[in-house]
Amino acid sequence: EAQVTQNPRYLITVTGKKLTVTCSQNMNHEYMSWYRQDPGLGLRQIYYSMNVEVTDKGDVPEGYKVSRKEKRNFPLILESPSPNQTSLYFCATRDRLNYGYTFGSGTRLTVV
Amino acid sequence: EDQVTQSPEALRLQEGESSSLNCSYTVSGLRGLFWYRQDPGKGPEFLFTLYSAGEEKEKERLKATLTKKESFLHITAPKPEDSATYLCAVQGGYNFNKFYFGSGTKLNVKP
Repeated sequence: EAQVTQNPRYLITVTGKKLTVTCSQNMNHEYMSWYRQDPGLGLRQIYYSMNVEVTDKGDVPEGYKVSRKEKRNFPLILESPSPNQTSLYFCATRDRLNYGYTFGSGTRLTVV
Repeated sequence: EDQVTQSPEALRLQEGESSSLNCSYTVSGLRGLFWYRQDPGKGPEFLFTLYSAGEEKEKERLKATLTKKESFLHITAPKPEDSATYLCAVQGGYNFNKFYFGSGTKLNVKP
């Protein structure tokens, strides 16, 4: 079954404590992306990756890092989380043929 | 500036009452327009891709259309299970890796 798996689903953390949200896909897709979803603001792209070792900033990259060392994995790293990064995060993948993204189930992050 | 605007923000329908959701966009060089359905607590689920003005796609009670400036998602004789938030996204501009999402229309279909 085609899947995009994110972990954890829920996370409560404290300001400044580094965390990583993992994302893994089994579809052999080249393109992967991270989004955050906030009420009234919709989905906003944080980072995207076109292939292994190729990443670029989206619209709201500040405070986030990513890496793409393997095709299937695209972790999102928050080096020093702050309360304004409290949000619902989605990992998404697509193939090169411009089809729509396939999204993971989301990670609800709360930074206190 | 590339932008996607969806209206209305919320829509309440009686079962069987047909209606349309709107997605207007300002994007240079549209490469694709996408419709998604999102249920509470879940990730968006892909519905349709439209590539050029005049194109139409259908799936069960949903029909998506595209003009040069906007897209419509027509819902014919909706059922309560069609209740969800419907998101529109465009891929375009000078960077085809960027997708711009609207804020969504929350549809509630009452039995």
